[in-house]
Amino acid sequence: KAGVTQTPRYLIKTRGQQVTLSCSPISGHRSVSWYQQTPGQGLQFLFEYFSETQRNKGNFPGRFSGRQFSNSRSEMNVSTLELGDSALYLCASSRGSSGGAPDTQYFGPGTRLTVL
Amino acid sequence: AQSVTQLDSHVSVSEGTPVLLRCNYSSSYSPSLFWYVQHPNKGLQLLLKYTSAATLVKGINGFEAEFKKSETSFHLTKPSAHMSDAAEYFCVVSKAGGGNKLTFGTGTQLKVEL
Repeated sequence: KAGVTQTPRYLIKTRGQQVTLSCSPISGHRSVSWYQQTPGQGLQFLFEYFSETQRNKGNFPGRFSGRQFSNSRSEMNVSTLELGDSALYLCASSRGSSGGAPDTQYFGPGTRLTVL
Repeated sequence: AQSVTQLDSHVSVSEGTPVLLRCNYSSSYSPSLFWYVQHPNKGLQLLLKYTSAATLVKGINGFEAEFKKSETSFHLTKPSAHMSDAAEYFCVVSKAGGGNKLTFGTGTQLKVEL
């Protein structure tokens, strides 16, 4: 069974630009979550999508947005990039339960974003 | 709100000796607790999880953790360290009924020496 895949793996952008990251979950998984990892702030939850709806949201500005498609693939968009957005962005998928109980999340390798 | 505190940012052990990585949690609700491992330039891998069943949880690669409510702790142990265990370990908490919103600790870097 294929794992979680993220594209691209590496990305270099300049301040003010926008970027879109993609995540393909494990087949059959309906929940996709996004996390930002930086040396200073550690791992922080961005948002979770379940059945094309945002179910949970972290404390990030509105420049960070996401969406999920009917095949459960998800994209994350960051507009008006800032230097501080340089980070490893991790996507995780899980089967997802309608009752909201946490289930095992499987992480992808991440997209390394560098903002110059 | 829930949170976890990893008490050591760096732990160094000799190969073949026990490993202890400490984690305390804070949660107003019955928490789900996890340990994840991250090897250099790799994604996160789940070692084990606690979801209010048995308090002693066995994971992969010989790791286990014990949930102690009275001490609000969820320490990770392994009887004998291997060189391949060198990595960063994260203690993670999730609120029951809160979906998949994970709150990560700051991580413990484990070094294994010959």
